[in-house]
Amino acid sequence: EAQVTQNPRYLITVTGKKLTVTCSQNMNHEYMSWYRQDPGLGLRQIYYSMNVEVTDKGDVPEGYKVSRKEKRNFPLILESPSPNQTSLYFCASSPQTGEGYKFASEQFFGPGTRLTVL
Amino acid sequence: KQEVTQIPAALSVPEGENLVLNCSFTDSAIYNLQWFRQDPGKGLTSLLLIQSSQREQTSGRLNASLDKSSGRSTLYIAASQPGDSATYLCAVKPTSGTYKYIFGTGTRLKVLA
Repeated sequence: EAQVTQNPRYLITVTGKKLTVTCSQNMNHEYMSWYRQDPGLGLRQIYYSMNVEVTDKGDVPEGYKVSRKEKRNFPLILESPSPNQTSLYFCASSPQTGEGYKFASEQFFGPGTRLTVL
Repeated sequence: KQEVTQIPAALSVPEGENLVLNCSFTDSAIYNLQWFRQDPGKGLTSLLLIQSSQREQTSGRLNASLDKSSGRSTLYIAASQPGDSATYLCAVKPTSGTYKYIFGTGTRLKVLA
């Protein structure tokens, strides 16, 4: 089944304890992205990756890191989590984004990771 | 800077009603616009994708239209059902050289039985 998976689905941690949220897709998509969703603010893009070893900042990258060593995986790393990073996080992937093409493909989303930082 | 707005933020309708959800964007330079459904605490499910060259897309009881010149898209839901209750989000993919997607804050729909 074609899908985007995230782990863990739920995580409660404490301030300053490094954590990684994994994201994997089995559709051979080039583009992957991380979003956070907060009440009243909607979904905001944290980081995205155009392909292996190519990543760039979204709108709210502070406090986050990513890596794209393999096409299928795009982990989100919080080196020193803080309470303001408590949120619902989504990973998404897309075959391509439009640049260099005449159209952009749809995004496919993972189930989400609810993170609470105490 | 591209901004996406969805009004109203919440909507309650009786079962069986036809309804329209609105999505506005400030910059018409987009590759596409995508409508999603999100159930409480869950992920996003893609409903319809409209490319910039298209005017509308249909899937079952859903019809989405796109008017780039006016910066508007509508999602039409025919014969609404309680199972349609969810938050509906729209997102645009700008052509401005950025690789980002911009989301609206959503319309929370409740269909009353």
